[in-house]
Amino acid sequence: DAGVIQSPRHEVTEMGQEVTLRCKPISGHNSLFWYRQTMMRGLELLIYFNNNVPIDDSGMPEDRFSAKMPNASFSTLKIQPSEPRDSAVYFCASSLLQRNTEAFFGQGTRLTVV
Amino acid sequence: QKEVEQNSGPLSVPEGAIASLNCTYSDRGSQSFFWYRQYSGKSPELIMFIYSNGDKEDGRFTAQLNKASQYVSLLIRDSQPSDSATYLCAVTGNQFYFGTGTSLTVIP
Repeated sequence: DAGVIQSPRHEVTEMGQEVTLRCKPISGHNSLFWYRQTMMRGLELLIYFNNNVPIDDSGMPEDRFSAKMPNASFSTLKIQPSEPRDSAVYFCASSLLQRNTEAFFGQGTRLTVV
Repeated sequence: QKEVEQNSGPLSVPEGAIASLNCTYSDRGSQSFFWYRQYSGKSPELIMFIYSNGDKEDGRFTAQLNKASQYVSLLIRDSQPSDSATYLCAVTGNQFYFGTGTSLTVIP
């Protein structure tokens, strides 16, 4: 298995533009997590899905952020409109949560909003 | 109250010494406990997991769990410069809760 795949690896966009981050979890995993990491706040959970259903989105900072998981092999995190304070590294991770296995991380997307 | 607390550091130890990293968690129902290592500019990678009270050893790494005290630790023996990284503690309940990480520097 290729692991968790995220795209793009780097994204630079202008304030106000829409940004879409993509994630392909490991095949067979039933839980998917979106995290944001900054120096100031560390690794923050934004939202997680279980069996494609959003379970907890309390970490989503505001309505500008939305996430979808239309099927077991794909998820998106969208920011519209983007702001400079959204600049961070966004990680996607997947797991077989019920079996207490670890979360596997993608390589991350480094987002810069100018 | 944060679910998982770690000292942010930075923690500096000389090469060959023992590095001790600590973590506390708030949910007594937590079942699984993980230590991840993250090099600068990279994604977190799992180095240890522990489910039961006591110690678990893997090479130079030892994870310790005390559920009564809600405390997890990671010991790195014979620390090497290549161990310099940020170490994240993670706890599972109905999701993964991560601490903010402890930055470790091993000085040659």
